[in-house]
Amino acid sequence: QQQVRQSSQSLTVWEGETAILNCSYENSAFDYFPWYQQFPGEGPALLIAIRSVSDKKEDGRFTIFFNKREKNLSLHIKDSQPGDSATYFCAASGDRGSALGRLHFGAGTQLIVIP
Amino acid sequence: EAAVTQSPRNKVTVTGGNVTLSCRQTNSHNYMYWYRQDTGHGLRLIHYSYGAGNLQIGDVPDGYKATRTTQEDFFLLLELASPSQTSLYFCASSATGGGYEQYFGPGTRLTVL
Repeated sequence: QQQVRQSSQSLTVWEGETAILNCSYENSAFDYFPWYQQFPGEGPALLIAIRSVSDKKEDGRFTIFFNKREKNLSLHIKDSQPGDSATYFCAASGDRGSALGRLHFGAGTQLIVIP
Repeated sequence: EAAVTQSPRNKVTVTGGNVTLSCRQTNSHNYMYWYRQDTGHGLRLIHYSYGAGNLQIGDVPDGYKATRTTQEDFFLLLELASPSQTSLYFCASSATGGGYEQYFGPGTRLTVL
């Protein structure tokens, strides 16, 4: 049972466009939502994260929009660059003192930015 | 900076073979994780641990054993490898569980013929 779902397996945009990667989750007890970025041949690395008390988190060109009522979130990459081409994983976790206290990953979205 | 290393980086074995994947972290982190990555499935948690001697079962534990010998070292054991275990394996560590950053190693590509 996939607790975190990413709607697209792949996404292609032109350089300079805004890439939008979507994610939804099942468990309303999740309260922490990181996005990890993975380049070919490397392990994933934390890119940006949001907690459920916020509806937006911005870090440079990367912004998370979070909708608690709808149980979904999206990662917006403004002014996409070819160097942003990577696989992006949405993840979620809940109370670390419970069985929810570990990350649940989505299947990933491969982003390709065409120059 | 956080450092997680894995060995070997590539491994080929035959069905029924015995394989041990090693992971070491030098971050003094309490939590360590083993994931497998497969196209269409993303990262799936096999086993994890929150300290030496501790082991927790993840989402896809069948066919895998794990052992945490020290705070630094976490091993994944495949005692009777099967072709379905052909995958890319990642180890990760974090200071605590849940909502804290996980630091990933470079991965081990395992092929079971």
